[in-house]
Amino acid sequence: DSGVTQTPKHLITATGQRVTLRCSPRSGDLSVYWYQQSLDQGLQFLIQYYNGEERAKGNILERFSAQQFPDLHSELNLSSLELGDSALYFCASSVDQLLSTDTQYFGPGTRLTVL
Amino acid sequence: GNSVTQMEGPVTLSEEAFLTINCTYTATGYPSLFWYVQYPGEGLQLLLKATKADDKGSNKGFEATYRKETTSFHLEKGSVQVSDSAVYFCALSDLRAGGSYIPTFGRGTSLIVHP
Repeated sequence: DSGVTQTPKHLITATGQRVTLRCSPRSGDLSVYWYQQSLDQGLQFLIQYYNGEERAKGNILERFSAQQFPDLHSELNLSSLELGDSALYFCASSVDQLLSTDTQYFGPGTRLTVL
Repeated sequence: GNSVTQMEGPVTLSEEAFLTINCTYTATGYPSLFWYVQYPGEGLQLLLKATKADDKGSNKGFEATYRKETTSFHLEKGSVQVSDSAVYFCALSDLRAGGSYIPTFGRGTSLIVHP
């Protein structure tokens, strides 16, 4: 158990809908990262928050947004969903990410299915 | 940009066989290198890492050596077990705008070990 929790475990929805994925980092970790894992794209970094502020951005679509709250949990919002958004979404956390040797701790993921 | 290339899987072995999973990278500078493992239904977890040339990372019988001259970080284990069946990801630390190091992952290599 990494200490990172994600809810829900599974989510099934329809095209055009909007969903929210939630992540609670390990106790003491200030950074939260979101990743998308799909068969065709592999594991893609979406976005990082550190202590409530956006720190780094990856391949995140404009239809997607995230935030980190004062209690450090984070939410990833996916809107106008398309079939291609079906994937596993992982959250990870770390104390910070200023050192190249720092380790990220991954949650179990949320499997999103868009029908 | 920086990238990681892994051998395609699945790699299928019998128990107690020798394992090699190849990983090569393209990067400016000297990134830290990582192997992560993803067991079925779980998130990624760090297996081992190496931070500079000729460093050897090791954990749970797995080893990988940072080879700058061949830009490689191959994963090896002398005798695999059924419980090693998982997907293995090679990654490098990638400095992003904002000062964070975010891993860039390979596509992953599935390992299946038969009794």
